[in-house]
Amino acid sequence: AQSVTQLDSHVSVSEGTPVLLRCNYSSSYSPSLFWYVQHPNKGLQLLLKYTSAATLVKGINGFEAEFKKSETSFHLTKPSAHMSDAAEYFCVVSDTDSWGKLQFGAGTQVVVTP
Amino acid sequence: NAGVMQNPRHLVRRRGQEARLRCSPMKGHSHVYWYRQLPEEGLKFMVYLQKENIIDESGMPKERFSAEFPKEGPSILRIQQVVRGDSAAYFCASSPSPSGGAIEQFFGPGTRLTVL
Repeated sequence: AQSVTQLDSHVSVSEGTPVLLRCNYSSSYSPSLFWYVQHPNKGLQLLLKYTSAATLVKGINGFEAEFKKSETSFHLTKPSAHMSDAAEYFCVVSDTDSWGKLQFGAGTQVVVTP
Repeated sequence: NAGVMQNPRHLVRRRGQEARLRCSPMKGHSHVYWYRQLPEEGLKFMVYLQKENIIDESGMPKERFSAEFPKEGPSILRIQQVVRGDSAAYFCASSPSPSGGAIEQFFGPGTRLTVL
């Protein structure tokens, strides 16, 4: 079975500085990996996904993530944080053993300070 | 194309009452998934349905919870005799075909259930 671990429950950054959200996964097979963002009292929005194509994946709003098989990591980055990036971020793995059940990490709350 | 719709957005119930949560998938989507998010936690899978069929209910509590996705109308998640521990945000997602690999699940805004 697959699982994901988000290494930071809270991250605080200053506006204009880089953002790094760390995610490690465990999987028996080549996984599909996703990052979702959840703004307060809103649903989840897909930021980007990795499905065994290019290891560097570009998403919306300037986010990108790199799949590193040797490190079993899929960290999310953004060069310059914006106030609107304040939200909760979830790293998600798709269970390739079955129909693609999504397994969510516990989430990382991002705070952006002026 | 409207996104996934859920109603009500907020639901308050007293212990022992029933809660009915509705989910209308995106147009053209026949696969629906329900998730529960407890405070300070990530989403946990509950059940996966296609029209008139339950495909995977491995995440559903064995008692009091049921789900359906009829041929016509929205998917319903039903919680009987609610308890305080059922207080959570319940999210519905949909996809045009079985989720997995490149197939994305599109999420609704959620229903926040509070049990008094």
